[in-house]
Amino acid sequence: KNQVEQSPQSLIILEGKNCTLQCNYTVSPFSNLRWYKQDTGRGPVSLTIMTFSENTKSNGRYTATLDADTKQSSLHITASQLSDSASYICVVSGLNQAGTALIFGKGTTLSVSS
Amino acid sequence: NAGVTQTPKFRVLKTGQSMTLLCAQDMNHEYMYWYRQDPGMGLRLIHYSVGEGTTAKGEVPDGYNVSRLKKQNFLLGLESAAPSQTSVYFCASSYASAGESYEQYFGPGTRLTVT
Repeated sequence: KNQVEQSPQSLIILEGKNCTLQCNYTVSPFSNLRWYKQDTGRGPVSLTIMTFSENTKSNGRYTATLDADTKQSSLHITASQLSDSASYICVVSGLNQAGTALIFGKGTTLSVSS
Repeated sequence: NAGVTQTPKFRVLKTGQSMTLLCAQDMNHEYMYWYRQDPGMGLRLIHYSVGEGTTAKGEVPDGYNVSRLKKQNFLLGLESAAPSQTSVYFCASSYASAGESYEQYFGPGTRLTVT
């Protein structure tokens, strides 16, 4: 069964600290993996998209890594800011009965405090 | 350039009532999607469209209908609302299949409560 598991479920860090969020998937065949940021009460916004051949991608203070062999990805946030408080969702492209589809993880809720 | 917009933002329905959620995009995207997001669960695909006049079922289509009469609009209908349809509904669009690495843009969401 295609699944995307994220850890931790929630995380609290102090402003200025770094953190790393994890994503493990069992989706096959694999096409791409994305990380989204979802602010409370808003729609998800794309941070990075990585294909099978890419193992790292950055977007400002956000750096995503991908290990397609172990089916793991991480999102590293550097020098966190209060505005980083949000839910971070890992999404993997795979196949289901409807064809190519995006399989969403449940997200990691990050709280950055001052 | 407004991106993806959704109407309404909030709605409360009684069981058995009907309503239509409207999604509009101004990016000339071919693909449009409707998702629902429930607490403790990832977003789940309800229906999607690969172009004007086309619709297809997603992961959780029961109880919903959709129409794509114009390329820029994608409507989600609830014919007889049930409490299990209480959720936040997101519309999204992409230039081509999001499964093929194309960027997917989301609207701000519609919070629906069915009592």
